[in-house]
Amino acid sequence: AQTVTQSQPEMSVQEAETVTLSCTYDTSESDYYLFWYKQPPSRQMILVIRQEAYKQQNATENRFSVNFQKAAKSFSLKISDSQLGDAAMYFCAYKSGTYKYIFGTGTRLKVLA
Amino acid sequence: DSGVTQTPKHLITATGQRVTLRCSPRSGDLSVYWYQQSLDQGLQFLIQYYNGEERAKGNILERFSAQQFPDLHSELNLSSLELGDSALYFCASSVGEVRQGSYEQYFGPGTRLTVT
Repeated sequence: AQTVTQSQPEMSVQEAETVTLSCTYDTSESDYYLFWYKQPPSRQMILVIRQEAYKQQNATENRFSVNFQKAAKSFSLKISDSQLGDAAMYFCAYKSGTYKYIFGTGTRLKVLA
Repeated sequence: DSGVTQTPKHLITATGQRVTLRCSPRSGDLSVYWYQQSLDQGLQFLIQYYNGEERAKGNILERFSAQQFPDLHSELNLSSLELGDSALYFCASSVGEVRQGSYEQYFGPGTRLTVT
């Protein structure tokens, strides 16, 4: 069975600094997608970035980028130039052709002014 | 705005009651997913529908049921409510099937259910 693990319940970063959130997953499939979602205090779930497993190039969206290591089954999120508005819960998610999304338990990111 | 709508935003009801949560997916999305998020917890997958058919089931209680209608909107029915059912219930939609899209889900704003 597929699993997604976020081993950091909470992380802190100084404003304007860089932080990396970790995510590992377990699967026997070769074709799948990985996502990072952000949940600010408003509780709205917002898609931050996605990565297709068949793509070797790491996805990037402005200040957000991923380090996708397929062999190691690792999918970390790097946030550069952290801003106060980045403070939120971040969830890593996995999706394959079996229809069901699997979410990690989340990492709470605090941004310090 | 994700394009996914959920009603109502807030719902307060008593134990033992029955409620219906409604979700309208983004235009063109055929898959609808329901999740439960209790206070400071992660997302618990409940159930998924694709084009009216149930496709996947998670840890959904027997007191809960859902359906997707021909116009693709979905309803989640919660009955014999207990205090522990108090949570934020999210609906999400995606394009759906294999090779039809990149699978990303778009979430609605959620329905906050409080059982007293």
